[in-house]
Amino acid sequence: EVQLVESGGGLVKPGGSLRLSCAAAGFTFTTYSVNWVRQFPGKGLEWVSTISPSGDSIHYADSVEGRFTISRDNAKNSFYLQMNSLRAEDTAVYYCARKGVLGWNFDYWGQGTLVTVSS
Amino acid sequence: QSALTQPASVSGSPGQSITISCSGTSSDVGGYNHVSWYQQHPGKAPTLMVFDVNNRPSGVSNRFSGSKSGNTASLTISGLQAADEADYYCSSYTGSGTLVAFGGGTKLTVL
Repeated sequence: EVQLVESGGGLVKPGGSLRLSCAAAGFTFTTYSVNWVRQFPGKGLEWVSTISPSGDSIHYADSVEGRFTISRDNAKNSFYLQMNSLRAEDTAVYYCARKGVLGWNFDYWGQGTLVTVSS
Repeated sequence: QSALTQPASVSGSPGQSITISCSGTSSDVGGYNHVSWYQQHPGKAPTLMVFDVNNRPSGVSNRFSGSKSGNTASLTISGLQAADEADYYCSSYTGSGTLVAFGGGTKLTVL
């Protein structure tokens, strides 16, 4: 059974940093690209970042480029999102999600971790 | 403001069919056949229902079908059931910058 489990969310002040983790299980981790997708309090979804199986291809949403960094550790079946210079508008539930083999879709999602940016 | 436009809400009675639209541009929906649809029940993570316009993942009911015409994609749910009541989101690959755009979501109410 595919499982993705996020951790690391919490309350942080504007300008602060936070590191999210996602532990994967139940599939060959080194075969799949993985992503972060966030959901704002008003319910809208936003794709945040993707990293290829080997980590050599990385992309970010324009809204987080230069502030967030995605990485993965294939030996630990885990990937991460380092978030710096956080803003109030980064407040959201952050989901880790596996990219499907075919096309651009997210076939498995974690349960989400809440990040709140507030003073 | 979401990149793709969906109606805020739709409703239907059990057994009926409904269609949710997802309007984009030639840079996303119209330019690629990488349109997906997700179902989200309250307090849960989204679940993939349709990918690449009209393909269903294993285990998804054939009551869910997708299509696309020009810059607009659609999700049709036939034989509505109470369990279908949820939020539905479309997404599309964009090819550059923010690689994936989502719609703002549609709340489906089963009357």
